[in-house]
Amino acid sequence: TQLLEQSPQFLSIQEGENLTVYCNSSSVFSSLQWYRQEPGEGPVLLVTVVTGGEVKKLKRLTFQFGDARKDSSLHITAAQPGDTGLYLCAGALGGGSNYKLTFGKGTLLTVNP
Amino acid sequence: SQTIHQWPATLVQPVGSPLSLECTVEGTSNPNLYWYRQAAGRGLQLLFYSVGIGQISSEVPQNLSASRPQDRQFILSSKKLLLSDSGFYLCAWSVLLKGGRGYTFGSGTRLTVV
Repeated sequence: TQLLEQSPQFLSIQEGENLTVYCNSSSVFSSLQWYRQEPGEGPVLLVTVVTGGEVKKLKRLTFQFGDARKDSSLHITAAQPGDTGLYLCAGALGGGSNYKLTFGKGTLLTVNP
Repeated sequence: SQTIHQWPATLVQPVGSPLSLECTVEGTSNPNLYWYRQAAGRGLQLLFYSVGIGQISSEVPQNLSASRPQDRQFILSSKKLLLSDSGFYLCAWSVLLKGGRGYTFGSGTRLTVV
């Protein structure tokens, strides 16, 4: 059973379009993170959300943490080819010295010029 | 600055051969260190994590083992590789950032067992 479900798994859009990807779980997380990964590279942290209902903006990217801290969304406005990549959400189930993340399977985004 | 090094970048090994992947971090002390594997399904599976020298927690029973002989060194090993051990192996450490904790990943090792 996948703890974190991401949807859609694949998304191919044209440059300039808007998109939203989702990350859902039945578990409550102490924090949730979004990463972007390019082929052959390690994931790179985009944002961490901690508080239920929290919204964070990073240029054209908007991240929201659900009120119950079980789900999150990532919205991209006016997508560009440079946004292409695998977007992974990850939830933290522990804290302090036992901090570790559980990852979803990711959304593979392709933005066509 | 804090950096994480992982090598080799790619590796092709025959079934039954041993494995040793190394990860080192710089610019910090007593980090939490992690080994993940990313297979064809694209998700990251936690294999091992360590909160200190000699302290290893295993998340998934498997053909692999991990060791932490020094504070900033984390090693992933196998005595005899299986075909199913193929994948993209990522080392990471957790850092306390503004707004919460995050992972910094190495650039990964692409392992192909043939």
